[in-house]
Amino acid sequence: DQQVKQNSPSLSVQEGRISILNCDYTNSMFDYFLWYKKYPAEGPTFLISISSIKDKNEDGRFTVFLNKSAKHLSLHIVPSQPGDSAVYFCAASPLPNYGGATNKLIFGTGTLLAVQP
Amino acid sequence: KAGVTQTPRYLIKTRGQQVTLSCSPISGHRSVSWYQQTPGQGLQFLFEYFSETQRNKGNFPGRFSGRQFSNSRSEMNVSTLELGDSALYLCASSRTGSGAGELFFGEGSRLTVL
Repeated sequence: DQQVKQNSPSLSVQEGRISILNCDYTNSMFDYFLWYKKYPAEGPTFLISISSIKDKNEDGRFTVFLNKSAKHLSLHIVPSQPGDSAVYFCAASPLPNYGGATNKLIFGTGTLLAVQP
Repeated sequence: KAGVTQTPRYLIKTRGQQVTLSCSPISGHRSVSWYQQTPGQGLQFLFEYFSETQRNKGNFPGRFSGRQFSNSRSEMNVSTLELGDSALYLCASSRTGSGAGELFFGEGSRLTVL
């Protein structure tokens, strides 16, 4: 049961244009969403996050939008740069099932972004 | 500041063997999580430790186990290895245990089971 879905395994954009990566989720109890970027032979690195009480968060060239009614979030990168070429993972933080805290994340399967010079 | 360190980086085992992977979190981080990454499956949550206590466990068979030591270092063990256990095993640490915090990942241990 894939609770976090990234339906596009790959995306190719031209340098300078906008990259839009999409993510859908099924569990309405997720309270926090994050994007991670992963280069080959490296561990994922945190990119940007958004709380479920917000609908937008911006950090430089990166903006994440959250549409709770549609259970959909997207990552916008503008302008895209060749160094942005990587696999992008969407992740969601579930509410802990015992009332405590947790750092557990549920990840999507990733989208490989290729930014062409 | 040193990042998350995982050892070994690469290893090859045969079916039926067992393996132990090690993770040293960032200094001061008390939360350690483990994830399995396989092609097409993304990162699958294995378990999470905070102050030596397992707080969460993912949907993996009992052959997968872990522990955390008093210095926050963590190990995971996989017994009776199967071909399907071939994967990149990633460890992540976090300063807080409060959730929604940024996870810092190591480079992973790539396990190949023959």
